Amino acid sequence: GENVEQHPSTLSVQEGDSAVIKCTYSDSASNYFPWYKQELGKGPQLIIDIRSNVGEKKDQRIAVTLNKTAKHFSLHITETQPEDSAVYFCAASPKFSGGYNKLIFGAGTRLAVHP
Amino acid sequence: EPEVTQTPSHQVTQMGQEVILRCVPISNHLYFYWYRQILGQKVEFLVSFYNNEISEKSEIFDDQFSVERPDGSNFTLKIRSTKLEDSAMYFCASRGVVLNIQYFGAGTRLSVL
Repeated sequence: GENVEQHPSTLSVQEGDSAVIKCTYSDSASNYFPWYKQELGKGPQLIIDIRSNVGEKKDQRIAVTLNKTAKHFSLHITETQPEDSAVYFCAASPKFSGGYNKLIFGAGTRLAVHP
Repeated sequence: EPEVTQTPSHQVTQMGQEVILRCVPISNHLYFYWYRQILGQKVEFLVSFYNNEISEKSEIFDDQFSVERPDGSNFTLKIRSTKLEDSAMYFCASRGVVLNIQYFGAGTRLSVL
């Protein structure tokens, strides 16, 4: 089955710097890759996603890149702000999952943005 | 903005007791999921549900677990006889027909003593 690895587990940056979180997946049939942000006491919130027919997607300060050949995808946050501090999860959705696109999550990255 | 709501936010139970975790998915969504997150670990898929039946379940989802959509709006997860290792945060998610975007609730923290 699909397995998703995520690095780093913790990331500390200064406000205004960029942050990059990387994930690799094992199932080449996976075709949907969302990123979720989880704040303390809340459920995961989708921040951006990318599908396998696209190499890059951007939404204001957030961008995601996908390399299907290497089976890895990355989250890029520019001009980080203290409110970006949270745990970020990548996920992959196996294309032929009988579970109607269940998500397989990475272990999460705790991002701390220091003023 | 529509959201997935889960109740209770925290459930404390004794080992061996039955618990029911409740979820109200987004109203026009047709696909429903339960995930769990043991403290400090990955969010793990438990089960997906569509058209009033389970479409896939993980190896975690054994005979002690069941799901139900009793009234067309609620989606429940029942654990028949809880074990210490069932202590975790349980998330419900739902998605619509067109986009493969799962929306998560805030979770129920289950503490088994």
